[in-house]
Amino acid sequence: KQEVTQIPAALSVPEGENLVLNCSFTDSAIYNLQWFRQDPGKGLTSLLLIQSSQREQTSGRLNASLDKSSGRSTLYIAASQPGDSATYLCAAQGGSQGNLIFGKGTKLSVKP
Amino acid sequence: EAQVTQNPRYLITVTGKKLTVTCSQNMNHEYMSWYRQDPGLGLRQIYYSMNVEVTDKGDVPEGYKVSRKEKRNFPLILESPSPNQTSLYFCASSSGVLKFFGPGTRLTVL
Repeated sequence: KQEVTQIPAALSVPEGENLVLNCSFTDSAIYNLQWFRQDPGKGLTSLLLIQSSQREQTSGRLNASLDKSSGRSTLYIAASQPGDSATYLCAAQGGSQGNLIFGKGTKLSVKP
Repeated sequence: EAQVTQNPRYLITVTGKKLTVTCSQNMNHEYMSWYRQDPGLGLRQIYYSMNVEVTDKGDVPEGYKVSRKEKRNFPLILESPSPNQTSLYFCASSSGVLKFFGPGTRLTVL
């Protein structure tokens, strides 16, 4: 059964720092891996999706990498801003219409 | 605007009083699903639907029902809510890869 773990559970950094959020999964037979952002009291916003055949995806200051063989994905946030403060969730999908298995998230706080 | 909508956004009810949380999407997606989010447990899938009249259980289906009579709607039904169903509920839809989530429904069962 797929399990997804995110480390750290919480992270506080000063504005401007580059940071890395980690996600690991136990079953390497994934279809894709998604990173989401969740703001308090709000829904999930998809940030990046990496297909199983891809190694990384980039969107603005965000870069996500995927290493299926080691069961790891990282989300790199460059030049962090207070507006980046949110909970970041990674989710592994097992098939084209499969269930998303979520990690418990990393709560990020970026201090001005 | 492409979106998934849920109603109500907030609901406080009492044990045993039947309720329905509606979910609607305007993207003509075939796949829809429901998740619940609980502190320390993360998001877990309740039910999903691959298309109209096709539904299946997720990881935590006990105490819930769903129906999919139309492509755009996927209501979540709690026939006899209990306090352990107090949670934040999300509906999602997908055309195949990218999943779009609704804003969430915070349910409290007293």
